[in-house]
Amino acid sequence: DTGVSQNPRHKITKRGQNVTFRCDPISEHNRLYWYRQTLGQGPEFLTYFQNEAQLEKSRLLSDRFSAERPKGSFSTLEIQRTEQGDSAMYLCASSTTGLQYFGPGTRLTVT
Amino acid sequence: QKEVEQDPGPLSVPEGAIVSLNCTYSNSAFQYFMWYRQYSRKGPELLMYTYSSGNKEDGRFTAQVDKSSKYISLFIRDSQPSDSATYLCAMSVFQGGSEKLVFGKGTKLTVNP
Repeated sequence: DTGVSQNPRHKITKRGQNVTFRCDPISEHNRLYWYRQTLGQGPEFLTYFQNEAQLEKSRLLSDRFSAERPKGSFSTLEIQRTEQGDSAMYLCASSTTGLQYFGPGTRLTVT
Repeated sequence: QKEVEQDPGPLSVPEGAIVSLNCTYSNSAFQYFMWYRQYSRKGPELLMYTYSSGNKEDGRFTAQVDKSSKYISLFIRDSQPSDSATYLCAMSVFQGGSEKLVFGKGTKLTVNP
C-alpha cells in the first residue's frame, strides 16, 4: 500500500500526559499537512510542511502542540499536557500538486 | 460568516435516486474545489476536483463550480447503498508560499436499499 499511513490509529490517554503521532506520507510527496477533525465538523488546518520546512501554523496550534518533519519524509505531531478538548481525529495529508491525499487518521481520546 | 458553508443534513434517499450536495463560499482567493468522501471513522478520500467554473464528470459523479455565484455542487446519479457516507467540500487557498484546504462541515448521506 503506497498511501499515507498514520500511527497509532487510536490513542487513549489521561489528561496531562504527552502524546506523539506519526505520519508517513506518499513517498514522492514533498508537501505534508496536519488537520484536526471533531465530531460533526470538517477537518481544520493545523500546519503545513514543504520538505522539512514548516511554512505555516494555524492559530489552533497552541504552544502545547509541536510538529516536525526532520528529513522531509515522515512527520510527528506532539501534544504536551493533553486536555479533554484535545480529543479529536488527527489527520495527515500529503501532496505534490496541491491535491491532498489523506491518511486514515489517529483518533485521540483524553480521559 | 464561515468561509465555506455546507448543509450538514442528514440526507436520506432511496437507492437509484439522484443526489445533489452543495456548498457556498465567500473567499474569492480559493483556487481548487474538491469533494471528499468520508466513511465513518476513516480518513477523507478524494473524489473529484476542479479549478474552473463548469462541470466535470467521472462515472456517476458530476462536480459543478460556479465562481460568479461562489457555489459548488456534487451530483450523484443512480445512488447506491455503498455511497452512504459523509461528503465534504473543500477549497484550497495559496497564500504567502503556503497552502491549505478549508472544509465545509460535511453532509451525511444515507442511501436506502
